[in-house]
Amino acid sequence: EAGVAQSPRYKIIEKRQSVAFWCNPISGHATLYWYQQILGQGPKLLIQFQNNGVVDDSQLPKDRFSAERLKGVDSTLKIQPAKLEDSAVYLCASSSRLAGATDTQYFGPGTRLTVL
Amino acid sequence: AQSVTQLDSQVPVFEEAPVELRCNYSSSVSVYLFWYVQYPNQGLQLLLKYLSGSTLVESINGFEAEFNKSQTSFHLRKPSVHISDTAEYFCAVKVFSGGYNKLIFGAGTRLAVHP
Repeated sequence: EAGVAQSPRYKIIEKRQSVAFWCNPISGHATLYWYQQILGQGPKLLIQFQNNGVVDDSQLPKDRFSAERLKGVDSTLKIQPAKLEDSAVYLCASSSRLAGATDTQYFGPGTRLTVL
Repeated sequence: AQSVTQLDSQVPVFEEAPVELRCNYSSSVSVYLFWYVQYPNQGLQLLLKYLSGSTLVESINGFEAEFNKSQTSFHLRKPSVHISDTAEYFCAVKVFSGGYNKLIFGAGTRLAVHP
């Protein structure tokens, strides 16, 4: 079974530029998550999808961040414009059930973003 | 609000020595607890989890964790570590809030195993 795929693995941009990250979850997984992991901290949930609907985006800075999962499969996270404090690893995860309490989240390798 | 505290940011240890990585959580309701491991330049991998039943849970590579409700702890232990265990370890609690479940992570503990 293929794992969660993410691209690119690394991205360096200048502040005020735009950037997009792509995630393809494990086949058949209904729930998809985007996390932000700042150096020295644990992952923080940005947004959670169930199929193609948003379940929770309370921690997403909506003035600059956006995410979509149009067909309920892969997803794109965008930052426009980027700030220095957006430098982090962006992790995508997926789980099989509709955000069940006991189901396991499987993580991709992440995209390391550096904003100069 | 629910939270997870990992008391040690870094734990250096010699190979074949025992290790304990500490984790405390705050929650007033039933909890589901997890330990994830992150090797350099890789994503998080589930190490073990407590959902219900026996308070002692084990992983396939020799780690174990014990759920202690009275102390609100879920410490991770291994009796003898290997160089390959060098990684960052994250404790997490799954909470039900606002109609959905979400994982809350601690800040992580960097385990460095020295020869």
